[in-house]
Amino acid sequence: DAGVIQSPRHEVTEMGQEVTLRCKPISGHDYLFWYRQTMMRGLELLIYFNNNVPIDDSGMPEDRFSAKMPNASFSTLKIQPSEPRDSAVYFCASSLDAGDNEQFFGPGTRLTVL
Amino acid sequence: AQSVTQLGSHVSVSEGALVLLRCNYSSSVPPYLFWYVQYPNQGLQLLLKYTSAATLVKGINGFEAEFKKSETSFHLTKPSAHMSDAAEYFCAVSWNSGGYQKVTFGIGTKLQVIP
Repeated sequence: DAGVIQSPRHEVTEMGQEVTLRCKPISGHDYLFWYRQTMMRGLELLIYFNNNVPIDDSGMPEDRFSAKMPNASFSTLKIQPSEPRDSAVYFCASSLDAGDNEQFFGPGTRLTVL
Repeated sequence: AQSVTQLGSHVSVSEGALVLLRCNYSSSVPPYLFWYVQYPNQGLQLLLKYTSAATLVKGINGFEAEFKKSETSFHLTKPSAHMSDAAEYFCAVSWNSGGYQKVTFGIGTKLQVIP
């Protein structure tokens, strides 16, 4: 398996624009997680899905952020409208359905909002 | 909710010296504990995990961690630091709640290895 795939790897956009980040989890994994990493706040869990259903979105900063998982092999994180404070590295991770299973992280998308 | 505390956001050691990265957890249920490593411009990857099979857990790259319930600790160690160990290390706790897996990561500790 190629691992967790994220696209794009880098995104530069202007304030107010819509940004869509994409993730393909490892085949067979039941959980999918979206994280945001910044110098100031560290690694933050935004939302996670189990079997394509959002379970906990309490980490989503505000209504400008939304996430979907239309099927087991694809998820999106959308920011609309984007703001400079959204600049961060966004990671997607997936895991099997058990508490003792590790998460496999993608390489991340580095987002810069000007 | 469960939590982890990593003591020291930055740790510096000399090459060849002992590496000790501290992690304490709080958990009202038996936890699963993990150490992840993040190299620059990469995602996190698993170093090792504790799942109650053995209290001393050995991981990749010569790292190991010992689960101490009495101290609620899961410190990461390596006898001799190598330059390639320079990275950021995250402790994490996972548990089952309401039929779902939940996980919390620590703030991370950046390890600097001095030649």
